Amino acid sequence: NAGVTQTPKFRILKIGQSMTLQCAQDMNHNYMYWYRQDPGMGLKLIYYSVGAGITDKGEVPNGYNVSRSTTEDFPLRLELAAPSQTSVYFCASSYSLGLGTDTQYFGPGTRLTVL
Amino acid sequence: EDKVVQSPLSLVVHEGDTVTLNCSYEVTNFRSLLWYKQEKKAPTFLFMLTSSGIEKKSGRLSSILDKKELFSILNITATQTGDSAVYLCAVNQKTSYDKVIFGPGTSLSVIP
Repeated sequence: NAGVTQTPKFRILKIGQSMTLQCAQDMNHNYMYWYRQDPGMGLKLIYYSVGAGITDKGEVPNGYNVSRSTTEDFPLRLELAAPSQTSVYFCASSYSLGLGTDTQYFGPGTRLTVL
Repeated sequence: EDKVVQSPLSLVVHEGDTVTLNCSYEVTNFRSLLWYKQEKKAPTFLFMLTSSGIEKKSGRLSSILDKKELFSILNITATQTGDSAVYLCAVNQKTSYDKVIFGPGTSLSVIP
């Protein structure tokens, strides 16, 4: 298994540009998540999905959009990039809810800089 | 407001030292507490704690949870330079999805 993969690893955007961060998992996990991590801070949840076709907002969704057309893929879209979106973005997935034994598996991250 | 607090925020020790990292939380509908190690890239899972007083061990790392005091510690004995990382504490909350609230992390540097 490749686990959770993310592309690109690094990206520099100009203010107002758009881009899509890709995330894929091959573990057949139902739940997928997008976090951002700013320097010296914990991870903040942007959006999450509990299955194909179902997405919802997390703690900091403004300026982002997601879609989940398949179980494997969960892309994150930035429509009008702003300097405040400079961050490291992590995608994660987990199998199921409520068993008390599961954990989230993280991708390697995408470092985004908006200038 | 739900929150997870870690202390210290940064720590520098010498190889061979023992360190204790602290995590306290105020989270409604607690399900479990998680510890992650984050080096240059993604967090990697260390421990999940759900019951008070039961120590989890993995090599030189161990952790314990106190659900009454809303507190957990992560111990690392005989530290090595490879232990240098940010250690994240997080609480899994019972919600309609697998919500995890992360603390800010403790940055540990182990010097030779």
